[in-house]
Amino acid sequence: QKEVEQDPGPLSVPEGAIVSLNCTYSNSAFQYFMWYRQYSRKGPELLMYTYSSGNKEDGRFTAQVDKSSKYISLFIRDSQPSDSATYLCAMSAWGGATNKLIFGTGTLLAVQP
Amino acid sequence: DAGVIQSPRHEVTEMGQEVTLRCKPISGHNSLFWYRQTMMRGLELLIYFNNNVPIDDSGMPEDRFSAKMPNASFSTLKIQPSEPRDSAVYFCASSLNVGLATLTDTQYFGPGTRLTVL
Repeated sequence: QKEVEQDPGPLSVPEGAIVSLNCTYSNSAFQYFMWYRQYSRKGPELLMYTYSSGNKEDGRFTAQVDKSSKYISLFIRDSQPSDSATYLCAMSAWGGATNKLIFGTGTLLAVQP
Repeated sequence: DAGVIQSPRHEVTEMGQEVTLRCKPISGHNSLFWYRQTMMRGLELLIYFNNNVPIDDSGMPEDRFSAKMPNASFSTLKIQPSEPRDSAVYFCASSLNVGLATLTDTQYFGPGTRLTVL
């Protein structure tokens, strides 16, 4: 079993829809949770960063962490065609000197105009 | 800032040949990471350096892979001999690590090198 599981999709939604992307994990030591966005033929870029449990909102994006269920989510409101990309969750047990991220395999999202 | 620079962007080689991938991290960053991305396995950490010193190379697949960081502004990932199963996109990333759990640990990725081994 992988440490981080993510549905690969693809997920296709109409413009304006609310999108929900999810990851589950098995390592209870994880406490730093990130979402990266990767456009086709580009490197991943950090989208959201949360520590421990709770919610974090940034514009149309909301990240949720439920450590009791070992489950994290990224919600995109009013999705736009420019949101079409692969979304990778990533997590780490320690954000300091041993900053080793474990990534999910990514979910491919297509927002149709 | 130019961001993380990787070269070449594309590499096509034949099985058995030596391949060298290059990375220039963002100036001032002290951590450097090499990742491999495939459809089947996703993004996997191969090795990472902190202050030019290899910290964890447990992700390096086998002895055919080696990485060096001779100075703070340059790193190489070498595959010798290359095999078709090494075909993947190889990413380099860098971060500023100050030992605190802050956004300064954000990893910035380069554009990747797409390697095809025939």
